[in-house]
Amino acid sequence: EVQLVQSGGDLVQPGGSLRLSCVASGFTFSDYWMSWVRQVPGKGLEWVANINQVGSETWYVDSVKGRFTISRDNAKNSVFLEVNSLRADDTAVYYCARHWYYTVDFWGQGVLVAVSS
Amino acid sequence: DIVMTQTPLSSPVTLGQPASISCRSSQSLVHSDGNTYLSWLQQRPGQPPRLLIYKISNRFSGVPDRFSGSGAGTDFTLKISRVEAEDVGVYYCLQGTQFPHSFGGGTKVEIK
Repeated sequence: EVQLVQSGGDLVQPGGSLRLSCVASGFTFSDYWMSWVRQVPGKGLEWVANINQVGSETWYVDSVKGRFTISRDNAKNSVFLEVNSLRADDTAVYYCARHWYYTVDFWGQGVLVAVSS
Repeated sequence: DIVMTQTPLSSPVTLGQPASISCRSSQSLVHSDGNTYLSWLQQRPGQPPRLLIYKISNRFSGVPDRFSGSGAGTDFTLKISRVEAEDVGVYYCLQGTQFPHSFGGGTKVEIK
């Protein structure tokens, strides 16, 4: 069974940083691109970042470029999202998801990142 | 970047009746490999999204056949042939043809 278990969400002050983690199981992790998607509570979904199977190719939505970094550790079946210089409008539930056939087929449970002073 | 626009914003439906959701992209979603990477996801209240349809019209594993997708180029449609109570939620289209990928704004399906 495919599982994505997330951790790392928290309440942080503006300008602060966090590292979000996602541990995968039930599939060969190193065969798949991975993605991060976020959702402001009560609002729609926003694509944040992707990373290829070996970590050599990454893509970001413009609003997070230069502040967020996606990475992975295939030995630990894990993908990460380093979020820096956080702003109030980064407040959202962050989901990791498995990228498959140019879509996403399995999702983590989501973690809340709340940015507030 | 490709902008995805969904209509309607909300769709009140009687149980057992059909529902239809439209999605339009700001540019063609035909990839250089000839495929069109338009998918549909369902998000039930309090849950992560769930993949329903990929590549316009292919149902994902375990998805009931009352869900169907169609379209081409820039215009796409998700249809539910007979809405059931468990179909309540928000539906999103997603384009995977070009980075960054992008979602439509969502359509809320609710029971009248």
